[in-house]
Amino acid sequence: GAVVSQHPSWVICKSGTSVKIECRSLDFQATTMFWYRQFPKQSLMLMATSNEGSKATYEQGVEKDKFLINHASLTLSTLTVTSAHPEDSSFYICSASPNSGRGTDTQYFGPGTRLTVL
Amino acid sequence: DAKTTQPTSMDCAEGRAANLPCNHSTISGNEYVYWYRQIHSQGPQYIIHGLKNNETNEMASLIITEDRKSSTLILPHATLRDTAVYYCIVRPNTNAGKSTFGDGTTLTVKP
Repeated sequence: GAVVSQHPSWVICKSGTSVKIECRSLDFQATTMFWYRQFPKQSLMLMATSNEGSKATYEQGVEKDKFLINHASLTLSTLTVTSAHPEDSSFYICSASPNSGRGTDTQYFGPGTRLTVL
Repeated sequence: DAKTTQPTSMDCAEGRAANLPCNHSTISGNEYVYWYRQIHSQGPQYIIHGLKNNETNEMASLIITEDRKSSTLILPHATLRDTAVYYCIVRPNTNAGKSTFGDGTTLTVKP
């Protein structure tokens, strides 16, 4: 299957700093990527839909000014957690589907980024 | 996206078939059934998907009822490495179709 990578795999930062997480589709192009957040012992929660060349669409309750999303190319989307606080500590996961334009558009997930805010 | 209902947890003996059910009674005609699994501290792994016909690949089989209101994921010979949370998702089959995750089924394969 298609491969989605994330960088970094884990990050520890001080409260008040900003953290950027990268999501890359390694062997396919993706017009649309998705960002999820997962707290311990909970399911994945969709945060936003990242659209190449346009503004991201955020789910209800997700602060767009806090979670900045940039999808500058067909293989890269970034999520920046601005002014991070301990409650932002979570597992952040991205996903993407190949722009096949035909048949199956299976969504593939990255390995996740563990963010710990001290 | 349509809501799915899965049992919270299931156990399976190593080497036996694991049958994981999923109800999706409000599925729309253009929505596919997707199955993913998540091993602790990793991203979800794609397993299989289908529209209305039964599907099989190297990992599993997917049985979808004729009315498409439920499905079953079958792992034919479960191993200890199959212990994970299994998610059943219904979504349109487009690259813009987002996946909404429920709570999934925690499958524990026991020796």
